[in-house]
Amino acid sequence: QQQVKQSPQSLIVQKGGISIINCAYENTAFDYFPWYQQFPGKGPALLIAIRPDVSEKKEGRFTISFNKSAKQFSLHIMDSQPGDSATYFCAGESGKLIFGQGTELSVKP
Amino acid sequence: EAQVTQNPRYLITVTGKKLTVTCSQNMNHEYMSWYRQDPGLGLRQIYYSMNVEVTDKGDVPEGYKVSRKEKRNFPLILESPSPNQTSLYFCASSLALGSSYNSPLHFGNGTRLTVT
Repeated sequence: QQQVKQSPQSLIVQKGGISIINCAYENTAFDYFPWYQQFPGKGPALLIAIRPDVSEKKEGRFTISFNKSAKQFSLHIMDSQPGDSATYFCAGESGKLIFGQGTELSVKP
Repeated sequence: EAQVTQNPRYLITVTGKKLTVTCSQNMNHEYMSWYRQDPGLGLRQIYYSMNVEVTDKGDVPEGYKVSRKEKRNFPLILESPSPNQTSLYFCASSLALGSSYNSPLHFGNGTRLTVT
């Protein structure tokens, strides 16, 4: 049962552009929505997270937008840089973490 | 340095030959978990452990075994590997069950397994 659907599967963005990755969830019991960033050859690492009682969380160039009524949330990367090239996973948690399918982001110089 | 260490990083084996992937964490975490990563499927949980001698199945446990005899170690055992277990495997740990707001999952750097 896929409880978190992530799109797109891959994304190519020019340097300086905005990268947007979307996730939709089914389980209304989720109470924590993290995003993990994974560089090639490395394990995922927590990037930014949000709780469902707020609509937006910003940390530097990374912003999570959260729409509880639509059961959707998204990651926006402003001024995307080649160093942001990685795979990004959204997730939802209700005692257990359920990951989305992942998005491979490539930022071209 | 706080870390989760997996070994080996790469492993090529043949169908049916038992293997073990080791995982060790130095953060005194109670919760440990194994995931497999496959293209288009994301990270799927295989097994997890809430503490020593306490383990439970995740979403894709078939063909795998685990043990938690010590707090720091959580090996993944494939008794009779098959080609459909070819994947990238990650061990992870955190202070408590799941990944609460104050206790994110810490992942190892992965083990790429190929079963021929």
